[in-house]
Amino acid sequence: ETGVTQSPTHLIKTRGQQVTLRCSSQSGHNTVSWYQQALGQGPQFIFQYYREEENGRGNFPPRFSGLQFPNYSSELNVNALELDDSALYLCASSNRVDTGELFFGEGSRLTVL
Amino acid sequence: AQSVSQHNHHVILSEAASLELGCNYSYGGTVNLFWYVQYPGQHLQLLLKYFSGDPLVKGIKGFEAEFIKSKFSFNLRKPSVQWSDTAEYFCAVNAHQAGTALIFGKGTTLSVSS
Repeated sequence: ETGVTQSPTHLIKTRGQQVTLRCSSQSGHNTVSWYQQALGQGPQFIFQYYREEENGRGNFPPRFSGLQFPNYSSELNVNALELDDSALYLCASSNRVDTGELFFGEGSRLTVL
Repeated sequence: AQSVSQHNHHVILSEAASLELGCNYSYGGTVNLFWYVQYPGQHLQLLLKYFSGDPLVKGIKGFEAEFIKSKFSFNLRKPSVQWSDTAEYFCAVNAHQAGTALIFGKGTTLSVSS
C-alpha cells in the first residue's frame, strides 16, 4: 500500500508567477485535501476534493485552485504568487469525505522571491 | 471563528518523565478531535482520535488523551516519554459537517533528552 506522494519537494518561484503542485493519494482513498503550513504555524485548510469536485474550502482566495482526476490524484494551482505564499503545502487523502482522519504526504516547500 | 490553542510552544523533558500537552478549542458544536505528530524528517501522522464515547482515548506508542467537553479541552498525555518521542505535536479539531477540514493548533515541539 503506497502512501501519499507529492511533487516537487522543493521549488522556488518569483512573485507574480504561477505554480502547480501534484499529489498522488494513498491507494483506495477517494478524498483529497490540501493544507498550507507557514513557518511556525499549524497547517491551514485550503480545500477538499471528492469525486473530482471541490466540496469544501477554507479562507483562501480564488487564485488558489485545484483539480482531482479520475484516479484520485490531485493538483493545487496558485496564480499570481505573493511573498506570503511561501510555505509548505501538504496534501492529505482519506477514504471518507466526512472525517479529519487523514494521511498526509511529506509536502512541497514553495519559496516565493 | 473556530480556533485551537496549544499551551506550550516548546517542551523539554528527560527520558522517563511524564508528559502532558494542553489543547483547547473554541467551537460550540459537535467536533471530532485529533492529535497528529510529526517526527523529524517524516510526514504528519495520526497519533490518536476522538469521535464519541469514552472520553479517554488511547493512541499509538502509549499516548492517551482525555476529552473534557465542559472545558473544551483535549490534552495529550504519556506516563513516561522516550527519546524517540522527540517530535512536533499538533492538536486538531474537525467540526461535524466540515468534511476533512481540520483546524490545527500551532504545534508543540517536544524535545526528550536521553
